[in-house]
Amino acid sequence: EPEVTQTPSHQVTQMGQEVILRCVPISNHLYFYWYRQILGQKVEFLVSFYNNEISEKSEIFDDQFSVERPDGSNFTLKIRSTKLEDSAMYFCASSGRGRVSGELFFGEGSRLTVL
Amino acid sequence: GESVGLHLPTLSVQEGDNSIINCAYSNSASDYFIWYKQESGKGPQFIIDIRSNMDKRQGQRVTVLLNKTVKHLSLQIAATQPGDSAVYFCAENMKGGSEKLVFGKGTKLTVNP
Repeated sequence: EPEVTQTPSHQVTQMGQEVILRCVPISNHLYFYWYRQILGQKVEFLVSFYNNEISEKSEIFDDQFSVERPDGSNFTLKIRSTKLEDSAMYFCASSGRGRVSGELFFGEGSRLTVL
Repeated sequence: GESVGLHLPTLSVQEGDNSIINCAYSNSASDYFIWYKQESGKGPQFIIDIRSNMDKRQGQRVTVLLNKTVKHLSLQIAATQPGDSAVYFCAENMKGGSEKLVFGKGTKLTVNP
């Protein structure tokens, strides 16, 4: 069964450092997303990406965040200067039909710990 | 603020019983609702969805009910099994082209053998 894969599974970084989280979406999907989940809290939308550009972003997704699809398979989330409050589980998701389907396939997440 | 919430944070049932997990939403502009299951250490997994033009939708052992009058969504799991133990989230999507899913806080379901 096709799946969304994410690396690393866990990253520990110092405050102020840059972090890149990587995702390989399902191969024939066209819509890509990042969500995050702070420990014990609900899943929050960060950004959606389609046709090589951001289609929607939340207020959390400020200038410190960026996304990129550098090649035909990877989808990355970069945090330029991490803050303590960026510590969370970051989930990548992809969809074949966008909101028409709404059925997102999530990866298992990358846990980011900012010290 | 976020518009999706849950009535109970935890639910404990006996194996074989039916489970009902509830969700309240406040945004009448939402027209699409999804239930996700999240097992420990994993990402959310799609269970079932329903559009606002429906009141009920059934899947394998799961049923979602939508009451638009009181803005209430529920997930019924029949013959609950230990493998159903997880956190269950409802999520909503607003009509108008938004890609964003708004998630509720989650209900932790524990199935006792």
